[in-house]
Amino acid sequence: GAVVSQHPSRVICKSGTSVKIECRSLDFQATTMFWYRQFPKQSLMLMATSNEGSKATYEQGVEKDKFLINHASLTLSTLTVTSAHPEDSSFYICSARNPRDSYNEQFFGPGTRLTVL
Amino acid sequence: DAKTTQPNSMESNEEEPVHLPCNHSTISGTDYIHWYRQLPSQGPEYVIHGLTSNVNNRMASLAIAEDRKSSTLILHRATLRDAAVYYCILREVGYGQNFVFGPGTRLSVLP
Repeated sequence: GAVVSQHPSRVICKSGTSVKIECRSLDFQATTMFWYRQFPKQSLMLMATSNEGSKATYEQGVEKDKFLINHASLTLSTLTVTSAHPEDSSFYICSARNPRDSYNEQFFGPGTRLTVL
Repeated sequence: DAKTTQPNSMESNEEEPVHLPCNHSTISGTDYIHWYRQLPSQGPEYVIHGLTSNVNNRMASLAIAEDRKSSTLILHRATLRDAAVYYCILREVGYGQNFVFGPGTRLSVLP
């Protein structure tokens, strides 16, 4: 099946710093990628939809100036958490859709665990 | 996306079959039924999907009610590695929407 990678898998940073998380589709070109956030013992919550070559679409309540998304190529989307604070500590998961897949399945990355001290 | 309801948690003994139910009474004719699972500290993993007919793959079987208002994911022989949160999700094919995750069912497998 299709593979989606994320980097880094785990990051610890100080409050006030910015953190960039990369999401790559390794064996297909993804015109659309999604970013989710998951707090402990909770389900995944969609943060934004990232479309190659255009601005991301953010879900209600997600600050676009705090969570910067760039989808500059068909295989890479990045999420930058700016001025991170302890409440931003979470598990961030991306997914990508293969437009050649007739079922439009989503393939999920392994996640990035962010801890803000 | 139509809503699904699943039990919060279930337990199974190792090497026994597990039947994970999902109710989706408001399913539309174009909604596919997807099952994903999430192991601890990992991203969701595809398990199976179907539309009307029962489906089998190497991981599991999906039994879909005739009226499509419910479905059951069947793990034929649970292993300790099957302990995960299982999500039942409805989505239209080709509609371009993301998956909407409910709370899922947390499956515990006892040795």
